[in-house]
Formats: sequence, structure tokens, C-alpha cells
Amino acid sequence: SQKIEQNSEALNIQEGKTATLTCNYTNYSPAYLQWYRQDPGRGPVFLLLIRENEKEKRKERLKVTFDTTLKQSLFHITASQPADSATYLCALPTASNSGYSTLTFGKGTMLLVSP
Amino acid sequence: EADIYQTPRYLVIGTGKKITLECSQTMGHDKMYWYQQDPGMELHLIHYSYGVNSTEKGDLSSESTVSRIRTEHFPLTLESARPSHTSQYLCASSEYSGGGETQYFGPGTRLLVL
Repeated sequence: SQKIEQNSEALNIQEGKTATLTCNYTNYSPAYLQWYRQDPGRGPVFLLLIRENEKEKRKERLKVTFDTTLKQSLFHITASQPADSATYLCALPTASNSGYSTLTFGKGTMLLVSP
Repeated sequence: EADIYQTPRYLVIGTGKKITLECSQTMGHDKMYWYQQDPGMELHLIHYSYGVNSTEKGDLSSESTVSRIRTEHFPLTLESARPSHTSQYLCASSEYSGGGETQYFGPGTRLLVL
């Protein structure tokens, strides 16, 4: 099964700076990788999907990179705002015992943006 | 906001009670999932379904059961709740989009078993 590692320590940055979060994975190379945002007490919300043949993907202030050689994805938030404070989860597709594909989620990294 | 709903949002019950957590989605998605998440911990998949009358157990062993009689409805049942079942339960559905399965989550049910 896929093992995902995200920095368990919270990332504290100042408003306006760029936040960079890391997701490392082991085992097989996935066809794609996703990032989700989770606020306390709520379900995760999908942010971005990047495919294995894509090096970089952007959406507004978000940028994701995907290095299949290093087995690593970086998630960047530029011009960060206090409203960006949340836990960010990395997710990868995993083959289940039934033959279908499900998602395995990392533990997430908490981002705290101070004014 | 995704069109996926969970009830109740909060539930406090005594040991031994039977409970059903409701999950409904109006997006017409075939695939649905149940996750268990403790505070500060990762999501653990406990059940999933790829369509009506199809259910599978997830990676995390669970004493709960699920059913999928209608596409939009995926309830989770605990026959006899125990304090070890105290957790947050998240329901999700997914669709294939942009090269992969994107999951849409409900708001969750926070369960406390006394």
C-alpha cells in the first residue's frame, strides 16, 4: 500500500509570504496526486490534481509540483493570507483488494498564517 | 460547497446502542466512501461502494456495516456502539475529473459513545 509522509510540525509564516508544504511517498508511482484543504471539524475540500506527466500545476495563488523521480510533491501558496490557515492533505490513488482504486491520504500539515 | 449531506452532525449515545449515520449526495456519483478520523490524525477508509448493491471494506478494520440500496444514499450502522467508536466519521463521493478521482466530502458526524 502507499505510504505518504507530510511534515507533522505546523508551518508558521507571516502574511504575504509563500508557504511551501511537502508530500513524500513510497512504493509505486501514482498516476496522479491531489491536494486537499481541511478546516477544523470539517471534511476535506479538493484543491488541485496533478498528473504524473505534469511537472507543475497552478490555480490562482496555488502551485503544485510533482517529481516522480524524487517521489515528492511540493504545494505552494503565494501571498499567503490568514484565511489560508488550515491543514493541507496530500492524497494518492491506491489499488484496493477489490481491484478498484481508492485514495490514501497523508496525515496533513497544519499551516498557520499570522497577520 | 459539495452537495453531500451527513446527519446527525453530532451524536452522544450510551454504550450498546444501535446507531445509523446517514449520508446522501445529489451529484449522481456512483462511488461513495466512509472515513474515520480522530483529532489530528489521518483519514482512514473504513467502507466504500462503487455503485448500488456494491460495498467493500476499507483499510481500517471497523465493526460498522454499510448498505447501498440507492445511488444517493450510503448509511453506516453500528449495531452496538462502544467508547472505542468515538471519532469523527466523514462520508464522501467521487467523480472522475481531470485525470483522476476527485472526492467531495460531507461535513462529518462527530460521535461520542459514553
